[in-house]
Amino acid sequence: QVQLVQSGAEVKKPGSSVKVSCKTSGDTFNVYAFSWVRQAPGQGLEWMGGIIPIYGTAIYAQNFQGRATITTDESTSTVYMDLSSLRSEDTAVYFCARGGGLPKFFDYWGQGTLVTVSS
Amino acid sequence: EIVLTQSPGTLSLSPGERATLSCRASQSVSGDFLAWYQQKRGQAPRLLIYDASSRATGIPDRFSGSGSGTDFTLTISRLEPEDFAVYYCQQYGRSPGTFGPGTKVDIK
Repeated sequence: QVQLVQSGAEVKKPGSSVKVSCKTSGDTFNVYAFSWVRQAPGQGLEWMGGIIPIYGTAIYAQNFQGRATITTDESTSTVYMDLSSLRSEDTAVYFCARGGGLPKFFDYWGQGTLVTVSS
Repeated sequence: EIVLTQSPGTLSLSPGERATLSCRASQSVSGDFLAWYQQKRGQAPRLLIYDASSRATGIPDRFSGSGSGTDFTLTISRLEPEDFAVYYCQQYGRSPGTFGPGTKVDIK
């Protein structure tokens, strides 16, 4: 069955970067779109950006342009999200999610990765 | 971008009751491309409904979606204990896809 398994929790200093991974299995990697969605503590869901591996070019929400970078490694069916210049407001759970396109609904989700930004 | 508003913010009901959740869009949602998700504490969201009214795989038929244009509804015909959670709508008719702020369904 389809699974999205994310890397573990991270604690980072303000101004640093974090890279979160999402290893997928159970279906053809290239033909789907993978997005990153974050959720600050007690808050709602916010789409950050996404990528379709077969095309290779990521698109980003305006709030994350220039600060987020989404990439893929087709050899391991893994999606990565790099977020730079971290600030305390970036403390959140980051989810990867699979969709049929960009934008599209998300039928499979990773378990989430908590990123804490604290001095 | 399209802004989604959900109401009510919190819905307090008893098991067995009917739940009606609303999602309103700031502009018409192209193709009625609207989805609903359920999220329980500490878990990832789970897809319930897509394309406004199609149930996702494995979703019980007590969940139904309706609506078009700017007004959409998620109905849970009879609440089961496991249905008490937060529900989000998402539009994907226009980029960027956006989520509503959520409706919490809690036990009365």
